[in-house]
Amino acid sequence: GQNIDQPTEMTATEGAIVQINCTYQTSGFNGLFWYQQHAGEAPTFLSYNVLDGLEEKGRFSSFLSRSKGYSYLLLKELQMKDSASYLCAASTGTASKLTFGTGTRLQVTL
Amino acid sequence: EPEVTQTPSHQVTQMGQEVILRCVPISNHLYFYWYRQILGQKVEFLVSFYNNEISEKSEIFDDQFSVERPDGSNFTLKIRSTKLEDSAMYFCASSDQGSYGYTFGSGTRLTVV
Repeated sequence: GQNIDQPTEMTATEGAIVQINCTYQTSGFNGLFWYQQHAGEAPTFLSYNVLDGLEEKGRFSSFLSRSKGYSYLLLKELQMKDSASYLCAASTGTASKLTFGTGTRLQVTL
Repeated sequence: EPEVTQTPSHQVTQMGQEVILRCVPISNHLYFYWYRQILGQKVEFLVSFYNNEISEKSEIFDDQFSVERPDGSNFTLKIRSTKLEDSAMYFCASSDQGSYGYTFGSGTRLTVV
């Protein structure tokens, strides 16, 4: 079966850097998504990694190692509005089904 | 920016009733999906749809569920006889070439009473 693991909760200070890790065990792996989700809302796309390495997009960066089944999301210069859940999701198969982790609830404090 | 549109945003229904959740995917997308998220739990895959047929479905997607693309724009999820445990947020998604452009709609909150 498919298995995605990420920490349940993290806390960080405004202006700091935080790294949210995700490990996955899947078959038919295509790539790894990161989404942001505020309570009661839809997931919002942050990044999609297919190849190994780091992709940077403004304050957010995402890393993938296919051989290790590992990814992380790096958030820099944290702002209060970054308080949300961050969802790791593996895309698998020709139908590109997404299997989600439980999400990491990030709280940014002053 | 193109959007996936879902209606209604909220639906309350009595146990045993049929519900139809509606979605308008992004116009040039080819792959369509339904996911659900029970309150406080993770997002779960229900079904994927490509070339006018189901390409993959999960164990959750039993005989009570069906999907349809009745015309060139709408994509619907029908639950034939709702149960209390069907209460969840249902998200529609669409994508271009497989995983690219994967976009979620804003969701329909279904409450079964």
